[in-house]
Amino acid sequence: ETGVTQTPRHLVMGMTNKKSLKCEQHLGHNAMYWYKQSAKKPLELMFVYSLEERVENNSVPSRFSPECPNSSHLFLHLHTLQPEDSALYLCASSQDSTSGLNEQYFGPGTRLTVT
Amino acid sequence: EDQVTQSPEALRLQEGESSSLNCSYTVSGLRGLFWYRQDPGKGPEFLFTLYSAGEEKEKERLKATLTKKESFLHITAPKPEDSATYLCAVQSGANSKLTFGKGITLSVRP
Repeated sequence: ETGVTQTPRHLVMGMTNKKSLKCEQHLGHNAMYWYKQSAKKPLELMFVYSLEERVENNSVPSRFSPECPNSSHLFLHLHTLQPEDSALYLCASSQDSTSGLNEQYFGPGTRLTVT
Repeated sequence: EDQVTQSPEALRLQEGESSSLNCSYTVSGLRGLFWYRQDPGKGPEFLFTLYSAGEEKEKERLKATLTKKESFLHITAPKPEDSATYLCAVQSGANSKLTFGKGITLSVRP
């Protein structure tokens, strides 16, 4: 595997379900990110992890819970979602989130549909 | 607050018809401006980083330029496979996070 991978690629879940999105980066980077992409809107940054420590949480509802067990893996745990949470969820990584240029590399995304 | 505005929202070109995509920005000290390409249902693919006004970078039919207020992505003699959404993002000195524009959807007809 190369670059940034995400699983699953597609997910349909009911509002009472609990599911998790997984991201893995094979680039040796130290920072990882979760973004939400909705139609006709700019990418919305949700969470930033640098060296496994959360450094940013952009007022995301508590029904989204991130986890970063090491610098290569990132999870987004989902529970009690709302239909408006349906979107493309993108994971990205970069060498460093706090210094230098923040050149980010993205995974293919998980298309989430909440019914 | 950093702001990025991309125009036009959508652009339709005939194959071989060159054009430019615009990215206007307002930041408190630009550290870098990034261009990405995104195909439907996929994640953004990194294209270029521009660091300072006057800088230019090229890749195949694409050339990115940067001024103090905006960046252009010039597409020379485009082909149908250049059809995609092109995203612009900026990183300011005050905030390491990227601020993205809404993107420009380019369609190239054969």
